[in-house]
Amino acid sequence: GIQVEQSPPDLILQEGANSTLRCNFSDSVNNLQWFHQNPWGQLINLFYIPSGTKQNGRLSATTVATERYSSLYISSSQTTDSGVYFCAVEAVGNYGQNFVFGPGTRLSVLP
Amino acid sequence: DTAVSQTPKYLVTQMGNDKSIKCEQNLGHDTMYWYKQDSKKFLKIMFSYNNKELIINETVPNRFSPKSPDKAHLNLHINSLELGDSAVYFCASSQTGTGFFRNTEAFFGQGTRLTVV
Repeated sequence: GIQVEQSPPDLILQEGANSTLRCNFSDSVNNLQWFHQNPWGQLINLFYIPSGTKQNGRLSATTVATERYSSLYISSSQTTDSGVYFCAVEAVGNYGQNFVFGPGTRLSVLP
Repeated sequence: DTAVSQTPKYLVTQMGNDKSIKCEQNLGHDTMYWYKQDSKKFLKIMFSYNNKELIINETVPNRFSPKSPDKAHLNLHINSLELGDSAVYFCASSQTGTGFFRNTEAFFGQGTRLTVV
């Protein structure tokens, strides 16, 4: 099945710093999403981005489907950005079957 | 208005008991899922249902039995609970994509933290 890797596994930032998280996948995808799991365990949808670039406030994401990667960019980080960031993909042909999650990037933003 | 809701949020039970977790979605989606998140935060699919039909059953012990009474509900029943079943269980839903403007974005419930003692 499709493999999903995320880097870096852990990231510690000072408040106000910028960061880029990376997601690489091994096969073509129908769907790619970025989630933030906050310290209370909730999975928050950040982006639905099977291709292209989207921006939402301080966050932006880009997926280059032909090169099988996606990036999540966080600018001017805040302590509330702390948590685990997951990318999840749905392989082509697997509609409605299976979102495969990457192992996550654990982000800690220090005040 | 919660899109995907799970109950209960916390469940503490003894080994050997049988328990159920309920999930409901009000998004009109045709596909629902159960995921298990282990202590290392890794999320792995357990089951996928499309229009009440089981699509995926990923090497989950027979003690786990999903039930989908209708498209909006997918409940998880667990028999003879074991210590290793302790984890956070997430329900999710999405719409199977068709056509050029398909949107298959998945939405997750808040999770159920199951602790078996």
